[in-house]
Amino acid sequence: LAKTTQPISMDSYEGQEVNITCSHNNIATNDYITWYQQFPSQGPRFIIQGYKTKVTNEVASLFIPADRKSSTLSLPRVSLSDTAVYYCLVISNSGYALNFGKGTSLLVTP
Amino acid sequence: DTAVSQTPKYLVTQMGNDKSIKCEQNLGHDTMYWYKQDSKKFLKIMFSYNNKELIINETVPNRFSPKSPDKAHLNLHINSLELGDSAVYFCASSQDFSGNQPQHFGDGTRLSIL
Repeated sequence: LAKTTQPISMDSYEGQEVNITCSHNNIATNDYITWYQQFPSQGPRFIIQGYKTKVTNEVASLFIPADRKSSTLSLPRVSLSDTAVYYCLVISNSGYALNFGKGTSLLVTP
Repeated sequence: DTAVSQTPKYLVTQMGNDKSIKCEQNLGHDTMYWYKQDSKKFLKIMFSYNNKELIINETVPNRFSPKSPDKAHLNLHINSLELGDSAVYFCASSQDFSGNQPQHFGDGTRLSIL
């Protein structure tokens, strides 16, 4: 399983754009990059997944450079309710359960 | 309708007891999982079932026994509970076992051993 490295914590003010970068230097050819969000007392929730370049949905954008050794989750105009832990995972398409690291604890303040 | 539901939400019991946690998903998924999140917030896979067949069994004490009566249910039975079993246990499901399918998690069962 590809190991991921992401910041332990980040702070932001409401209304700002937040970018969380994840390093995955030993990502394999058939691996996908996936992000989950976890609020206190809840299970993780899928946010976005990508293989290369850019993916965008109603919640976030995911930027993946050509070498795929890193990825950046972008949250536009965060609100207080975006305070959560964000996990970056690298998953093989051949299938395996999720390997959660420590995640990035994002705190959004007024 | 809750997609993945676990019961009970909280479980407080004494060392040595046997307890069960139930999980049901109404998403029509083929694959279900049990994860354990410890006090340091690390979330680790314990078991995975695909179409009622065990496909992942991580290094978990054999006091933990999963059972899948059908594709929609994956229950976790724990014998002779120990202090170190205190954690939050999450059930999850996905369409199938391929890695690019999102997993849907329940809200967890907080197990406290006295």
